Amino acid sequence: EIVLTQSPATLSLSPGERATLSCRASQSVRSYLAWYQQKPGQAPRLLIYDASNRATGIPARFSGSGSGTDFTLTISSLEPEDFAVYYCQHRSNWPHTFGPGTKVDIK
Amino acid sequence: EVQLVESGGGLVQPGGSLRLSCAASGFTFSNYWMSWVRQAPGKGLAWVANIKPDGSDKHYVDSVKGRFTISRDNAKNSLFLQMNSLTAEDTAVYYCARDKDGRDYWGQGTLVTVSS
Repeated sequence: EIVLTQSPATLSLSPGERATLSCRASQSVRSYLAWYQQKPGQAPRLLIYDASNRATGIPARFSGSGSGTDFTLTISSLEPEDFAVYYCQHRSNWPHTFGPGTKVDIK
Repeated sequence: EVQLVESGGGLVQPGGSLRLSCAASGFTFSNYWMSWVRQAPGKGLAWVANIKPDGSDKHYVDSVKGRFTISRDNAKNSLFLQMNSLTAEDTAVYYCARDKDGRDYWGQGTLVTVSS
């Protein structure tokens, strides 16, 4: 089973600041990595698929990069609605594990 | 508009069974892999199982193998999760999701509580 590690666990930032979230895989997942955003009481929302492709309707301030074992989600300038928990997930092989999440909260 | 609506959750005793359903609309259901993902209270997301469009291939996380069965009825645009031998560790909100690249559409989830 591929284990995904996310860092930091919590990121405290102010609106307008840049957020950089990391996801590391225990072995290569090639580019088969997705990022999701989840707000309290809501279902997750797909942001990025295959490491760097924005999903439909996702603002350009969200970008993804990386391949193999190291991936980054960048939010270029935080909007108030971006404060949430972010998860990475791979689909390189089964099981399609998730990372533990990074909470982005307001400083 | 793509919609996924889960149902069937509730309170069940340890060792009991429950069958979850997910009604899909707004897309050609029979063309897509589908997944179940769960989230224990206050915890992160956990992939549970997924199923090929024609139902011929299924995959499970180890912790549910032999207890849970994923299935689908393409004629009724429905996804199912039969859960047997439930334990407290299975308590969670269960989401169905469409598999396209990532999981691009999600339902709102149904809560399963395993408790005596």
